[in-house]
Amino acid sequence: GESVGLHLPTLSVQEGDNSIINCAYSNSASDYFIWYKQESGKGPQFIIDIRSNMDKRQGQRVTVLLNKTVKHLSLQIAATQPGDSAVYFCAENRGTNAGKSTFGDGTTLTVKP
Amino acid sequence: DTAVSQTPKYLVTQMGNDKSIKCEQNLGHDTMYWYKQDSKKFLKIMFSYNNKELIINETVPNRFSPKSPDKAHLNLHINSLELGDSAVYFCASSSTGGPQHFGDGTRLSIL
Repeated sequence: GESVGLHLPTLSVQEGDNSIINCAYSNSASDYFIWYKQESGKGPQFIIDIRSNMDKRQGQRVTVLLNKTVKHLSLQIAATQPGDSAVYFCAENRGTNAGKSTFGDGTTLTVKP
Repeated sequence: DTAVSQTPKYLVTQMGNDKSIKCEQNLGHDTMYWYKQDSKKFLKIMFSYNNKELIINETVPNRFSPKSPDKAHLNLHINSLELGDSAVYFCASSSTGGPQHFGDGTRLSIL
């Protein structure tokens, strides 16, 4: 079956450093990938997405990299701030499946002041 | 202003009871979802509706019954609640092929 997994369940970084959160997926038919951020007591919030015809996409302080050869996805956060502390999920979709997302297990990012 | 709103936020009830959770979205999306998040934060999809039609029905006990009266609403009714149903339930919505927008969850505790 398909699975989406994050490489590390927890990540601790110093404020101001860059953070990299990794994700591996198993379904080569996946064509749409999303990163979500979940703060305590709230629902997951969309951060950035990327389609399989791209290998890099940038947002404000965040960059997503997609390596389809090794089925790997990463989220880079520049100049990490205390407000970035949260659980981060990657999710993969297959376009023919009307938006069904398979979520990874989540990485808890802690930013130390 | 709230894009995806679900009620109640907290639900504490006894085993064997029946309860409902309501969800509404004002984003004009055509697809809505219910997820269950366990204590380890693992998110598992339960159901998905597209324009009021059930399109995803994962391996969920038939004690759980979703209902979509219109494409802006997706409610979840749970019969004969069990201890293992304790979790946070999230409603979400999306446009076709787009990211999902989540509500803030309903924390269900079974005594």
